[in-house]
Amino acid sequence: NAGVTQTPKFQVLKTGQSMTLQCAQDMNHEYMSWYRQDPGMGLRLIHYSVGAGITDQGEVPNGYNVSRSTTEDFPLRLLSAAPSQTSVYFCASSRTTDYSGNTIYFGEGSWLTVV
Amino acid sequence: SQQGEEDPQALSIQEGENATMNCSYKTSINNLQWYRQNSGRGLVHLILIRSNEREKHSGRLRVTLDTSKKSSSLLITASRAADTASYFCATDNTDKLIFGTGTRLQVFP
Repeated sequence: NAGVTQTPKFQVLKTGQSMTLQCAQDMNHEYMSWYRQDPGMGLRLIHYSVGAGITDQGEVPNGYNVSRSTTEDFPLRLLSAAPSQTSVYFCASSRTTDYSGNTIYFGEGSWLTVV
Repeated sequence: SQQGEEDPQALSIQEGENATMNCSYKTSINNLQWYRQNSGRGLVHLILIRSNEREKHSGRLRVTLDTSKKSSSLLITASRAADTASYFCATDNTDKLIFGTGTRLQVFP
């Protein structure tokens, strides 16, 4: 039972570099999302997807791109890393956006440091 | 801006005591959920309360919802050291699930 898998777990980037955080789920969930977590800020929604081929912006989308070419995968791309993007990133998935009957599953997080 | 704000930001209690955390939100909701996060780990779903419900129980957890005040509370009874974690409320807004800033709970043995 893999659930939601995020890679890498830890990454250090230099300012200006690009990278992709990978997220995969094996539960055939339609809904996937990316959050970042900063001290004292809780979790903030970056981007989300309600199904393959459909993505939308969350609260803090600037500096990030996403795509959803398959139901299973939802990668998050940092185009040109900045120190302000130092954070812990969480991927989450749910069967649908009807949260009344669905549980949201979170990955274990990716710790990103931009120097 | 975030939908939910929890208070207190941090709470320290002794084992056996009850812990109460509050969440306030800004817009109308369909559901409100509470999550737990152990240090360095992902979030785990605890309980969901629908907008037409006022109270819900799950084991040692009791959640209340007051839609007129746009607020919810999470009560953990007879706390244990293993309850030490951060607790977040989350509200749904169409396709988005928006989290609050969290309460850090420390339970001392």
